[in-house]
Amino acid sequence: GESVGLHLPTLSVQEGDNSIINCAYSNSASDYFIWYKQESGKGPQFIIDIRSNMDKRQGQRVTVLLNKTVKHLSLQIAATQPGDSAVYFCAEIALGGAQKLVFGQGTRLTINP
Amino acid sequence: DVKVTQSSRYLVKRTGEKVFLECVQDMDHENMFWYRQDPGLGLRLIYFSYDVKMKEKGDIPEGYSVSREKKERFSLILESASTNQTSMYLCASNPAGEAKNIQYFGAGTRLSVL
Repeated sequence: GESVGLHLPTLSVQEGDNSIINCAYSNSASDYFIWYKQESGKGPQFIIDIRSNMDKRQGQRVTVLLNKTVKHLSLQIAATQPGDSAVYFCAEIALGGAQKLVFGQGTRLTINP
Repeated sequence: DVKVTQSSRYLVKRTGEKVFLECVQDMDHENMFWYRQDPGLGLRLIYFSYDVKMKEKGDIPEGYSVSREKKERFSLILESASTNQTSMYLCASNPAGEAKNIQYFGAGTRLSVL
């Protein structure tokens, strides 16, 4: 069945370093992926998305990489800041029928001063 | 900016009570969703709606119902609350058409059923 998962539940990085958060998905037919950030006490916020016809997309300080061969995507955050502390979710759009987002369980990113 | 507003941040209810969770979006979005979020289980879809008076079951609809009488409002109803429905509930919305894939979330309602 379809599933989206994250390799690591927690990640600690030094302030100023780059962060890489990974995500594996199992449905090779999925064609759209989204990264969300959820800060404590808030709902998930959209960060960046990527379609399956791309292998890289850049935003402000964030880059998403997609490797369809191994069904893996990653979120790279450059020069990590304290405000980046949050849980990060990847999600895929399940094909057919409803616009059902399938979420991974999330990775908690902690920034060390 | 898209704004999805959930009427309560925290709720405490007793077992057997009927509970209403309200969600309003101000961007004229066609689609609205209710999720619950639990540690280790991530976000799971309860119900969604593509239009007024329209509803579809998600992955875990048991014990819940929904109502969408107006386009901007989507209500989640727990007919008889149980302790296993203690959770964080998230509402989301998105438009139909080209931008349909990105869902915008409210801040969540943390429900405790005692």
